[in-house]
Order: sequence, then C-alpha cells, then structure tokens
Amino acid sequence: NAGVTQTPKFQVLKTGQSMTLQCAQDMNHNSMYWYRQDPGMGLRLIYYSASEGTTDKGEVPNGYNVSRLNKREFSLRLESAAPSQTSVYFCASRDPGQPQHFGDGTRLSIL
Amino acid sequence: SQKIEQNSEALNIQEGKTATLTCNYTNYSPAYLQWYRQDPGRGPVFLLLIRENEKEKRKERLKVTFDTTLKQSLFHITASQPADSATYLCAPTDSWGKLQFGAGTQVVVTP
Repeated sequence: NAGVTQTPKFQVLKTGQSMTLQCAQDMNHNSMYWYRQDPGMGLRLIYYSASEGTTDKGEVPNGYNVSRLNKREFSLRLESAAPSQTSVYFCASRDPGQPQHFGDGTRLSIL
Repeated sequence: SQKIEQNSEALNIQEGKTATLTCNYTNYSPAYLQWYRQDPGRGPVFLLLIRENEKEKRKERLKVTFDTTLKQSLFHITASQPADSATYLCAPTDSWGKLQFGAGTQVVVTP
C-alpha cells in the first residue's frame, strides 16, 4: 500500500545544477500537486495537474517546471538551482472532492 | 491577500487534557476546511473535513468547529495522549478544491 512515493528523499545540489524530483501515486487519482514547505510557513503550491495532460501554475512557480508523464507520475524540475530553493518538497494526489494524500517529501539543500 | 493564521507557539499539554487549536483566515470564503496532522520527517495526513454549512464534526477523540462569521475553526483533541504529539495544519478550501495551508501548530503532550 505505497500511496504517494517521492524520490529521492534527500539531495544536496550546488547552485546552478539541475535536477528532477520524481513522484508516483498508485491510487489512480486524477489530480497531482507539488508543494514546498519552509520553516514558519505553510505549504505553498508550486504547480498542479488537474488531470493527465494538463498542468497549471500555483502560488510559487518561478524557477520550476513540471511534467505529468502519465496518470501515475508527476515530476518537478529545477533547471538552475538557487539557494532560495532549499526546502522540503511534497507531492500530493487526490480525486475531486476528496482530501489530498501526501508523500513523505524530498529534502533539498542547495549550496 | 488571503491569510491563514495558526498559533505559531507550541501547545504543551498534559496527558488526559483537551488541546484546542485555532485557525483564523482573512480575505477568504472557503467552502470547507480541512485539518491535517504532520509528524517530523513525514508528509501531512488528512484528519477531518468540515463544510461551511456544518457547525461541528467529530471523529473519535477529535472535534472540529467552523464559524464562517468569525472566519475561524477550532480543533480539539480530547483525552490527549503522547501519541497525539505532532504538528496540526489547517487548510481552508474553496469550492474548486483549491486549498491553502496554515503554518501549523505543534502540540506536545507530556505524560
């Protein structure tokens, strides 16, 4: 019963490097989300995908891109990492009208 | 702009007592409000949802109230246990299912 799986769990990057955070869900949910969580702040929405084939910007999309690869997978890419992107990143999924199910996060540090 | 406020200070409470957490929101008219629990190093886990036309909702030892006039939700944990120690997040949600998270309140239950 995996739910939402995020990889990697931890990553350290240098400024300017790129990387892709992976997220997969096995609940057949239509909608998927990427959030970042910083100390003292609520989870902030980066991008979301209401259904396979669609993606939309959230509250803090700058510096990120996403791909909804198929119904199961939704990836988040940092093209040129900046120290301000040091954060914990969470992926979530849900069906319409239902609560969100979260993965356990990717802890990303950018030096 | 929309703002969600939760007590930033940790709530320290003795086992067996009732913990009460507050969630206030401004510039927002949510259709419903969700509460999540987050343990260290883990993603948020859904607990309860209350709709705008509901005054109170209960689940086991948890109780949530929703006052749309005061723009406030209260979250109660009765007969608290050390296992209830976690951070609790409120998330007002609009009719499209878009939610915004508060920063959360940490609850520490001591034996």
